[in-house]
Amino acid sequence: SQKIEQNSEALNIQEGKTATLTCNYTNYSPAYLQWYRQDPGRGPVFLLLIRENEKEKRKERLKVTFDTTLKQSLFHITASQPADSATYLCASQGRPGGYNKLIFGAGTRLAVHP
Amino acid sequence: EADIYQTPRYLVIGTGKKITLECSQTMGHDKMYWYQQDPGMELHLIHYSYGVNSTEKGDLSSESTVSRIRTEHFPLTLESARPSHTSQYLCASSGPSQGSYEQYFGPGTRLTVT
Repeated sequence: SQKIEQNSEALNIQEGKTATLTCNYTNYSPAYLQWYRQDPGRGPVFLLLIRENEKEKRKERLKVTFDTTLKQSLFHITASQPADSATYLCASQGRPGGYNKLIFGAGTRLAVHP
Repeated sequence: EADIYQTPRYLVIGTGKKITLECSQTMGHDKMYWYQQDPGMELHLIHYSYGVNSTEKGDLSSESTVSRIRTEHFPLTLESARPSHTSQYLCASSGPSQGSYEQYFGPGTRLTVT
């Protein structure tokens, strides 16, 4: 079955460094990958979407890559700040789940220390 | 301001009670979703709707039911709550145009069944 895997261990980094989170998918080839931020007790907030024919997408301090050979997406936050501390979710869509449904990973918790 | 709302935010209820979790959005989105999320785990899709009078069950089996009589309203009902229903329930919407794939989430309802 389709599965999205994210590192379950929390990522601890120092303020100002670049945080890199990994998302791997198995047994299928999604057309899009999305990244969301989720704070404790809140709903996820959409950050970025990348298509399978896009290698890289940027938005301010955020960068996402999509490697269809490795079946992997990397999510980078440059010049990280304590306010970036949250859980980051990867989600896939399309092929075969359909373009209107998302398959979510369990997320990776990021802690940025001053 | 366009947004998505969920009520109640927190609910503690006894076994066997009937409950309805409310979800409304003011963004004019045609697609709406209900997810269930346990701490540290993935979001699991339990119901979705692509428009008025259209509802489908999601990938995770659920004893709940939904209705979509108005575009903006997508309530979820549990006829007889059980302790196994204890979880976080998240409502989301997307659309309205073709290709608008990101989902907007409400704040969630934390349900505890005693």
